[in-house]
Amino acid sequence: DGGITQSPKYLFRKEGQNVTLSCEQNLNHDAMYWYRQDPGQGLRLIYYSQIVNDFQKGDIAEGYSVSREKKESFPLTVTSAQKNPTAFYLCASSIGGARRSYGYTFGSGTRLTVV
Amino acid sequence: GQQVMQIPQYQHVQEGEDFTTYCNSSTTLSNIQWYKQRPGGHPVFLIQLVKSGEVKKQKRLTFQFGEAKKNSSLHITATQTTDVGTYFCAVLTTDSWGKLQFGAGTQVVVTP
Repeated sequence: DGGITQSPKYLFRKEGQNVTLSCEQNLNHDAMYWYRQDPGQGLRLIYYSQIVNDFQKGDIAEGYSVSREKKESFPLTVTSAQKNPTAFYLCASSIGGARRSYGYTFGSGTRLTVV
Repeated sequence: GQQVMQIPQYQHVQEGEDFTTYCNSSTTLSNIQWYKQRPGGHPVFLIQLVKSGEVKKQKRLTFQFGEAKKNSSLHITATQTTDVGTYFCAVLTTDSWGKLQFGAGTQVVVTP
Protein backbone atom coordinates (compact mmCIF):
# COMPACT_ATOMS: atom_id res chain seq x y z
CA ASP A 1 0.00 0.00 0.00
CA GLY A 2 1.20 3.50 -0.80
CA GLY A 3 1.72 5.91 2.01
CA ILE A 4 4.06 7.85 4.24
CA THR A 5 6.09 6.21 6.98
CA GLN A 6 7.41 8.23 9.87
CA SER A 7 9.78 6.83 12.43
CA PRO A 8 10.19 6.60 15.29
CA LYS A 9 6.68 7.00 16.68
CA TYR A 10 8.06 8.29 19.99
CA LEU A 11 11.40 9.96 20.55
CA PHE A 12 13.05 11.31 23.65
CA ARG A 13 15.78 13.90 23.40
CA LYS A 14 18.20 15.08 26.02
CA GLU A 15 19.08 18.72 26.34
CA GLY A 16 21.74 19.71 23.80
CA GLN A 17 21.20 16.73 21.52
CA ASN A 18 20.38 16.75 17.85
CA VAL A 19 17.81 14.19 16.73
CA THR A 20 16.64 13.17 13.26
CA LEU A 21 13.09 12.23 12.37
CA SER A 22 12.59 9.97 9.39
CA CYS A 23 9.95 10.43 6.68
CA GLU A 24 9.66 8.09 3.69
CA GLN A 25 6.92 8.04 1.03
CA ASN A 26 6.18 5.62 -1.79
CA LEU A 27 3.44 7.69 -3.39
CA ASN A 28 5.74 9.16 -6.04
CA HIS A 29 4.79 12.63 -4.81
CA ASP A 30 7.03 15.51 -5.76
CA ALA A 31 6.35 17.74 -2.76
CA MET A 32 7.01 16.98 0.89
CA TYR A 33 6.43 18.99 4.05
CA TRP A 34 7.19 19.03 7.75
CA TYR A 35 4.67 20.45 10.22
CA ARG A 36 4.81 20.90 13.95
CA GLN A 37 1.69 20.54 16.11
CA ASP A 38 1.50 21.64 19.73
CA PRO A 39 -1.31 20.45 22.02
CA GLY A 40 -4.66 21.93 21.10
CA GLN A 41 -3.18 23.92 18.25
CA GLY A 42 -3.07 23.84 14.50
CA LEU A 43 -0.23 22.83 12.22
CA ARG A 44 2.71 25.13 11.62
CA LEU A 45 4.98 24.65 8.61
CA ILE A 46 8.66 24.04 9.35
CA TYR A 47 10.15 23.22 5.93
CA TYR A 48 8.91 22.11 2.56
CA SER A 49 10.45 20.67 -0.58
CA GLN A 50 9.05 20.94 -4.07
CA ILE A 51 11.61 18.73 -5.72
CA VAL A 52 14.71 16.67 -5.01
CA ASN A 53 17.73 18.66 -3.82
CA ASP A 54 15.62 21.72 -3.13
CA PHE A 55 13.83 22.85 0.01
CA GLN A 56 12.47 26.07 1.50
CA LYS A 57 11.95 27.42 4.99
CA GLY A 58 8.45 27.55 6.34
CA ASP A 59 7.08 29.74 9.12
CA ILE A 60 9.08 28.25 12.01
CA ALA A 61 12.34 26.92 10.51
CA GLU A 62 14.70 28.16 13.24
CA GLY A 63 16.40 25.29 15.05
CA TYR A 64 15.51 22.75 12.36
CA SER A 65 17.25 21.42 9.26
CA VAL A 66 16.22 19.12 6.41
CA SER A 67 17.62 17.39 3.35
CA ARG A 68 16.02 16.05 0.18
CA GLU A 69 18.56 13.79 -1.50
CA LYS A 70 15.94 11.33 -2.73
CA LYS A 71 12.39 11.85 -3.91
CA GLU A 72 11.13 9.34 -1.37
CA SER A 73 12.87 10.73 1.69
CA PHE A 74 12.67 14.02 3.62
CA PRO A 75 14.33 13.69 7.06
CA LEU A 76 14.03 16.45 9.65
CA THR A 77 16.78 17.20 12.17
CA VAL A 78 15.80 18.97 15.37
CA THR A 79 18.96 20.69 16.52
CA SER A 80 20.00 21.83 19.97
CA ALA A 81 19.22 25.37 18.82
CA GLN A 82 15.51 24.57 18.95
CA LYS A 83 14.66 25.71 22.48
CA ASN A 84 11.22 24.16 22.79
CA PRO A 85 11.24 21.01 20.66
CA THR A 86 8.61 18.99 22.55
CA ALA A 87 5.79 18.58 20.04
CA PHE A 88 4.07 16.28 17.57
CA TYR A 89 5.85 16.32 14.20
CA LEU A 90 3.95 15.48 11.04
CA CYS A 91 5.37 14.79 7.61
CA ALA A 92 3.16 15.17 4.55
CA SER A 93 3.39 14.87 0.80
CA SER A 94 1.39 16.02 -2.19
CA ILE A 95 1.35 15.82 -5.98
CA GLY A 96 3.25 18.93 -6.98
CA GLY A 97 2.31 22.18 -5.27
CA ALA A 98 -0.91 22.74 -3.38
CA ARG A 99 -2.39 24.54 -6.38
CA ARG A 100 -2.56 21.22 -8.21
CA SER A 101 -3.09 19.16 -5.13
CA TYR A 102 -6.05 17.08 -4.19
CA GLY A 103 -4.89 17.19 -0.61
CA TYR A 104 -1.93 16.33 1.51
CA THR A 105 -1.22 12.80 2.67
CA PHE A 106 0.13 12.75 6.20
CA GLY A 107 2.29 10.25 8.02
CA SER A 108 1.30 9.00 11.46
CA GLY A 109 3.67 11.42 13.17
CA THR A 110 6.53 11.42 15.67
CA ARG A 111 6.02 12.60 19.24
CA LEU A 112 9.24 14.22 20.44
CA THR A 113 9.81 14.87 24.14
CA VAL A 114 12.76 16.60 25.76
CA VAL A 115 13.89 14.86 28.93
CA GLY B 1 0.94 35.12 6.08
CA GLN B 2 -2.64 34.57 5.17
CA GLN B 3 -4.73 33.68 8.19
CA VAL B 4 -7.96 31.82 8.60
CA MET B 5 -10.11 31.84 11.68
CA GLN B 6 -11.97 28.71 12.67
CA ILE B 7 -14.96 28.93 14.96
CA PRO B 8 -15.80 27.55 17.36
CA GLN B 9 -12.55 26.31 18.87
CA TYR B 10 -14.42 23.62 20.81
CA GLN B 11 -17.77 21.99 20.13
CA HIS B 12 -19.57 19.64 22.48
CA VAL B 13 -22.37 17.82 20.71
CA GLN B 14 -24.98 15.37 21.90
CA GLU B 15 -25.06 12.23 19.78
CA GLY B 16 -27.72 12.60 17.11
CA GLU B 17 -27.59 16.41 16.99
CA ASP B 18 -26.34 18.52 14.11
CA PHE B 19 -23.57 21.10 14.28
CA THR B 20 -21.64 23.46 12.03
CA THR B 21 -18.08 24.70 12.14
CA TYR B 22 -16.85 27.69 10.21
CA CYS B 23 -13.66 28.87 8.55
CA ASN B 24 -13.33 32.61 7.79
CA SER B 25 -10.79 34.65 5.88
CA SER B 26 -10.38 38.39 5.35
CA THR B 27 -9.15 37.80 1.82
CA THR B 28 -10.54 35.97 -1.19
CA LEU B 29 -9.43 32.36 -1.32
CA SER B 30 -8.53 30.34 -4.40
CA ASN B 31 -9.56 27.12 -2.74
CA ILE B 32 -10.09 25.58 0.67
CA GLN B 33 -9.45 22.11 1.99
CA TRP B 34 -10.83 20.32 5.04
CA TYR B 35 -9.05 17.71 7.15
CA LYS B 36 -10.05 15.55 10.10
CA GLN B 37 -7.68 14.46 12.85
CA ARG B 38 -8.87 11.78 15.25
CA PRO B 39 -7.53 11.94 18.84
CA GLY B 40 -3.95 10.67 18.82
CA GLY B 41 -3.98 10.41 15.03
CA HIS B 42 -2.87 12.37 12.02
CA PRO B 43 -4.84 14.70 9.73
CA VAL B 44 -6.74 13.02 6.92
CA PHE B 45 -7.83 14.92 3.83
CA LEU B 46 -11.61 15.15 3.49
CA ILE B 47 -12.37 17.48 0.61
CA GLN B 48 -11.34 20.45 -1.51
CA LEU B 49 -13.66 23.29 -2.56
CA VAL B 50 -12.75 25.53 -5.45
CA LYS B 51 -15.82 27.24 -6.90
CA SER B 52 -17.82 30.10 -5.44
CA GLY B 53 -20.90 28.77 -3.66
CA GLU B 54 -19.80 25.17 -4.12
CA VAL B 55 -21.51 22.55 -1.96
CA LYS B 56 -20.19 19.01 -1.58
CA LYS B 57 -21.56 16.18 0.51
CA GLN B 58 -19.92 13.13 2.02
CA LYS B 59 -22.60 11.04 3.72
CA ARG B 60 -23.57 13.11 6.80
CA LEU B 61 -20.97 15.83 6.12
CA THR B 62 -21.84 18.88 4.00
CA PHE B 63 -19.11 21.29 2.94
CA GLN B 64 -19.84 24.73 1.53
CA PHE B 65 -17.69 27.47 0.03
CA GLY B 66 -19.04 30.98 0.41
CA GLU B 67 -20.25 33.01 -2.55
CA ALA B 68 -17.47 35.56 -2.00
CA LYS B 69 -14.91 32.76 -1.45
CA LYS B 70 -13.96 34.20 1.93
CA ASN B 71 -15.50 31.57 4.14
CA SER B 72 -16.42 27.94 4.31
CA SER B 73 -18.49 25.72 6.55
CA LEU B 74 -18.68 22.08 7.52
CA HIS B 75 -22.07 20.83 8.68
CA ILE B 76 -22.45 17.41 10.28
CA THR B 77 -25.90 15.87 10.51
CA ALA B 78 -26.93 13.38 13.20
CA THR B 79 -23.54 13.37 14.91
CA GLN B 80 -22.09 10.00 15.81
CA THR B 81 -19.27 9.07 18.19
CA THR B 82 -17.12 8.37 15.13
CA ASP B 83 -17.23 12.10 14.36
CA VAL B 84 -15.02 12.85 17.36
CA GLY B 85 -11.83 14.67 16.44
CA THR B 86 -10.46 17.98 15.30
CA TYR B 87 -11.54 19.43 11.98
CA PHE B 88 -9.11 21.74 10.22
CA CYS B 89 -9.61 23.98 7.26
CA ALA B 90 -6.56 24.83 5.16
CA VAL B 91 -6.04 27.51 2.55
CA LEU B 92 -3.41 28.26 -0.04
CA THR B 93 -0.81 30.86 0.81
CA THR B 94 -0.51 33.76 -1.59
CA ASP B 95 3.03 33.01 -2.75
CA SER B 96 3.52 31.68 -6.26
CA TRP B 97 3.85 28.04 -5.30
CA GLY B 98 0.95 27.96 -2.90
CA LYS B 99 1.53 26.08 0.33
CA LEU B 100 -1.32 25.16 2.62
CA GLN B 101 -1.85 27.16 5.79
CA PHE B 102 -3.98 25.46 8.39
CA GLY B 103 -6.50 26.99 10.73
CA ALA B 104 -6.35 26.24 14.45
CA GLY B 105 -9.11 23.65 14.15
CA THR B 106 -12.43 22.88 15.80
CA GLN B 107 -12.21 20.15 18.41
CA VAL B 108 -15.40 18.12 18.48
CA VAL B 109 -16.47 16.05 21.48
CA VAL B 110 -19.54 13.85 21.18
CA THR B 111 -21.57 12.88 24.20
CA PRO B 112 -23.47 9.57 23.88
